[in-house]
Amino acid sequence: SQQGEEDPQALSIQEGENATMNCSYKTSINNLQWYRQNSGRGLVHLILIRSNEREKHSGRLRVTLDTSKKSSSLLITASRAADTASYFCATARNSGNTPLVFGKGTRLSVIA
Amino acid sequence: GAVVSQHPSWVICKSGTSVKIECRSLDFQATTMFWYRQFPKQSLMLMATSNEGSKATYEQGVEKDKFLINHASLTLSTLTVTSAHPEDSSFYICSAKGPGTSGRSTKNIQYFGAGTRLSVL
Repeated sequence: SQQGEEDPQALSIQEGENATMNCSYKTSINNLQWYRQNSGRGLVHLILIRSNEREKHSGRLRVTLDTSKKSSSLLITASRAADTASYFCATARNSGNTPLVFGKGTRLSVIA
Repeated sequence: GAVVSQHPSWVICKSGTSVKIECRSLDFQATTMFWYRQFPKQSLMLMATSNEGSKATYEQGVEKDKFLINHASLTLSTLTVTSAHPEDSSFYICSAKGPGTSGRSTKNIQYFGAGTRLSVL
């Protein structure tokens, strides 16, 4: 069953602006991950944040995690047209070979 | 490293035929692979967990006799859509957990194939 809910469902911004996407989930987790999907393609892993972490950075990406609110946010700074894609959060209940549960995704459009 | 190859990328078939989709981990061994299905503009829905050398674990509502999964080796899992019908038309994606080699904690990361778009006429 789906657990994550992304907000907003769609986001359109100008190149150079920051894009913020939010994700909420329902159960306890071991880690939360963000993935990117270009139209009609597979998913690419962006960043993983563990349940005992509150913030993580990777290049232009910044992820926060609030386990008390069961929510996470992904911030893309100085967006580029090439960032246009769908972004999904996914949660893992433990660190073993359990599957990820994906949210509905946010479709980001960056206009040049 | 940690590349997953999925083949074919696109298949069109007639109703009633069977279609096999392959998922390979190219540079690491994957004891567990996952098969997802994605409808247009929707999220990924887990269909089944494929375990090397044993039966797959299917999610509730997924017909195991219709979606046959075989994980015969540590680098290959196949999904066969049997007697395909137009409602089976969808985007199917496989993934494998990272190898978790020393120095890099990739075991929690799933690496995805590029997906297979199935169109059943």
